[in-house]
Amino acid sequence: GNSVTQMEGPVTLSEEAFLTINCTYTATGYPSLFWYVQYPGEGLQLLLKATKADDKGSNKGFEATYRKETTSFHLEKGSVQVSDSAVYFCALTEGGYNKLIFGAGTRLAVHP
Amino acid sequence: EAGVVQSPRYKIIEKKQPVAFWCNPISGHNTLYWYLQNLGQGPELLIRYENEEAVDDSQLPKDRFSAERLKGVDSTLKIQPAELGDSAVYLCASSLGGQTSTDTQYFGPGTRLTVL
Repeated sequence: GNSVTQMEGPVTLSEEAFLTINCTYTATGYPSLFWYVQYPGEGLQLLLKATKADDKGSNKGFEATYRKETTSFHLEKGSVQVSDSAVYFCALTEGGYNKLIFGAGTRLAVHP
Repeated sequence: EAGVVQSPRYKIIEKKQPVAFWCNPISGHNTLYWYLQNLGQGPELLIRYENEEAVDDSQLPKDRFSAERLKGVDSTLKIQPAELGDSAVYLCASSLGGQTSTDTQYFGPGTRLTVL
């Protein structure tokens, strides 16, 4: 079945460091891909999405490119801030059906 | 615009007791979802409603879990009786609706259940 695999956390970075959180997926068909973020004490928020191969989703300085050839959707940010500390979830939806399948999440801690 | 509202935010009960969670979706959203999030894991879909109809409840443990969405707006998720393994966060989400895989889901803050 469809699945999402994320790099294990926690990821600990200093402020202004470069961030990469790896995400790979297994899917039949052509899924849409998402990154959600969960800040402490808050609900999941959509960070960015991409709906077809080679699309790049971006928001708040974060980017991810839908790579069909490597079945990946890695999250990147050039310069992280303390306020980016959160848990990040990679997810996909099966084609034509809006069922989200999430990875296990990656906790990011950014220190001043 | 108000987001998805859930209550209570926290609930502690003893095993074998019943418990209920309530969700109010974003106004105008026809699709409502209940997810289960265990500690250290991503959310997993329990049930999805299109208006009043449960269109996917394949992951809902029907021996003890039930859900309803009367009038196609608010929804309630119930567990009776609760077991220790039910301790988790229960998330509600809503979206505008339709079968498209790009329909953005908006999540509530969740209800954290602890079963003692």
